[in-house]
Amino acid sequence: GQQVMQIPQYQHVQEGEDFTTYCNSSTTLSNIQWYKQRPGGHPVFLIQLVKSGEVKKQKRLTFQFGEAKKNSSLHITATQTTDVGTYFCARPSGGYQKVTFGIGTKLQVIP
Amino acid sequence: EAQVTQNPRYLITVTGKKLTVTCSQNMNHEYMSWYRQDPGLGLRQIYYSMNVEVTDKGDVPEGYKVSRKEKRNFPLILESPSPNQTSLYFCASSDGRLLYEQYFGPGTRLTVT
Repeated sequence: GQQVMQIPQYQHVQEGEDFTTYCNSSTTLSNIQWYKQRPGGHPVFLIQLVKSGEVKKQKRLTFQFGEAKKNSSLHITATQTTDVGTYFCARPSGGYQKVTFGIGTKLQVIP
Repeated sequence: EAQVTQNPRYLITVTGKKLTVTCSQNMNHEYMSWYRQDPGLGLRQIYYSMNVEVTDKGDVPEGYKVSRKEKRNFPLILESPSPNQTSLYFCASSDGRLLYEQYFGPGTRLTVT
């Protein structure tokens, strides 16, 4: 399937520090989704970005879609222990039927 | 409550013994999908279904079968499980009209010895 590279794979931050995870594609994306998976839990949908250069915010989370629609980022401001988990980007493909996930970024927040 | 359910949640079995993992959703979603999650590999799509009797392969379909006889159910069948199918499996569903947001089930942890 079409790949999407996600970095970093792991990130440890002190509580209160910021965190960013990136997804990159070699091909243009029609859209990109972000999910969060808490330890021992299942992925939960956070947001979908569709437009070039789009920026969306959810409280302390900021999501961006690159101008060329080949990359996206998720930024968390002032992390809290509740932010712990793995963040995945996902690219629908094949007319939204097939979905390819990035390998995820595992975030650990040190109190 | 809107949800996706999977059964069983945990299963230990032996090589070659056929098994079925059930998945059911109560949201009248047309789209359903199965994923496996392995450390360092993220979530990989096994099969998906756009509607009743319409299924197609994802990225890792080998060794799996699915069926979609009813809209709410999408079972995953392992005809002859092998140890490399030991994994965490997630079922998901989506109403394609709503941004294709996927709702995931709680997961099934399968161990094949």
